[in-house]
Amino acid sequence: SQQGEEDPQALSIQEGENATMNCSYKTSINNLQWYRQNSGRGLVHLILIRSNEREKHSGRLRVTLDTSKKSSSLLITASRAADTASYFCATATTSGTYKYIFGTGTRLKVLA
Amino acid sequence: KAGVTQTPRYLIKTRGQQVTLSCSPISGHRSVSWYQQTPGQGLQFLFEYFSETQRNKGNFPGRFSGRQFSNSRSEMNVSTLELGDSALYLCASSLGGIGEKLFFGSGTQLSVL
Repeated sequence: SQQGEEDPQALSIQEGENATMNCSYKTSINNLQWYRQNSGRGLVHLILIRSNEREKHSGRLRVTLDTSKKSSSLLITASRAADTASYFCATATTSGTYKYIFGTGTRLKVLA
Repeated sequence: KAGVTQTPRYLIKTRGQQVTLSCSPISGHRSVSWYQQTPGQGLQFLFEYFSETQRNKGNFPGRFSGRQFSNSRSEMNVSTLELGDSALYLCASSLGGIGEKLFFGSGTQLSVL
């Protein structure tokens, strides 16, 4: 399968705690992106990290990328109930194609 | 700026029928891609169109087809529906370069009975 994998598949934390989710992929990439999906809705872009970057921040989000291990992690600090959603990583490959390979997703539940 | 619009939001069909889903991208976006999302398989890439040309196609049977019009609006068609086609179908638009961020519609939830 070309699909990336994320772990954990599901994560339940208390409001105020940090949430970390990981993504592994298989091919050489141009960039890696993280998306959020609220139940049954479309995905919303969160953050993009290029293959020559190692870390990126956006508000309460921190993304790291390790191209040697073909992995990335997304950290959400000081989580809120509104962060409850599924999170997906997506890779844009260097092969010149115009498709994105999505991970299997992590379902995050933040308890108030 | 209006977002990506998908219609209809929900569809119920029976096996053997065909269905057409519509996607209007963000103004100025020339790329539209389609994904199938099911609980067991995650997001699977169907195809991507840019300026009315299909640039890439996923591993789906020929029953799944699409097209894009000159105004960048896109339609996806599924013929001879099967129970396994029940899924959330998502379209996403972008400027069209490699690695551009995607803007998704809310999806069409298709149920095949």
